[in-house]
Amino acid sequence: EPEVTQTPSHQVTQMGQEVILRCVPISNHLYFYWYRQILGQKVEFLVSFYNNEISEKSEIFDDQFSVERPDGSNFTLKIRSTKLEDSAMYFCASSRDRRTNTEAFFGQGTRLTVV
Amino acid sequence: AQTVTQSQPEMSVQEAETVTLSCTYDTSESDYYLFWYKQPPSRQMILVIRQEAYKQQNATENRFSVNFQKAAKSFSLKISDSQLGDAAMYFCAYRSALNTGNQFYFGTGTSLTVIP
Repeated sequence: EPEVTQTPSHQVTQMGQEVILRCVPISNHLYFYWYRQILGQKVEFLVSFYNNEISEKSEIFDDQFSVERPDGSNFTLKIRSTKLEDSAMYFCASSRDRRTNTEAFFGQGTRLTVV
Repeated sequence: AQTVTQSQPEMSVQEAETVTLSCTYDTSESDYYLFWYKQPPSRQMILVIRQEAYKQQNATENRFSVNFQKAAKSFSLKISDSQLGDAAMYFCAYRSALNTGNQFYFGTGTSLTVIP
């Protein structure tokens, strides 16, 4: 069964450094998302991406964050100048189309620890 | 903005018994979709069941069923004949039907323990 894959599973970085979280969505999916989950808190929406551009973003997704789909398969989240409060589990998701009844398929997550 | 509330941070159930996980949501919209996702220890979230708000009939998927009360904005998940593999974090999620590709709004989750 096709699935969303994320790498790395765990990333430790020093405060102020840049990190890139990688995701390979399901191949025939067109809509991509990044969510994050700070430990013990709810899963929060960061950004959605469609047709090679950001479709929607939350207030969390400020200039520190960026996304791109560099090669038609990978979908990356870049976090510049990481802060301690960026420590969280980051989930990538994809969905087949834009219809809102369509489920999103989630990856297993990347645990980011900023020290 | 829409909010989703799961008031039970932890629940436990005896194997083979039935458990109900609660979820309430707040929205001014009339057309939307509701989902229950399961997040096992491996951390990949898996869709358990989905409900269209315009449907009065409660969704059912094998041992999983929902009690959807639109007026009360309640969407509980019932797991019958609980199995050890049901142990996971369960998230309730809301998605608007008004704008395509809208984000999911998640609750804080309920951690379900299944006791052998």
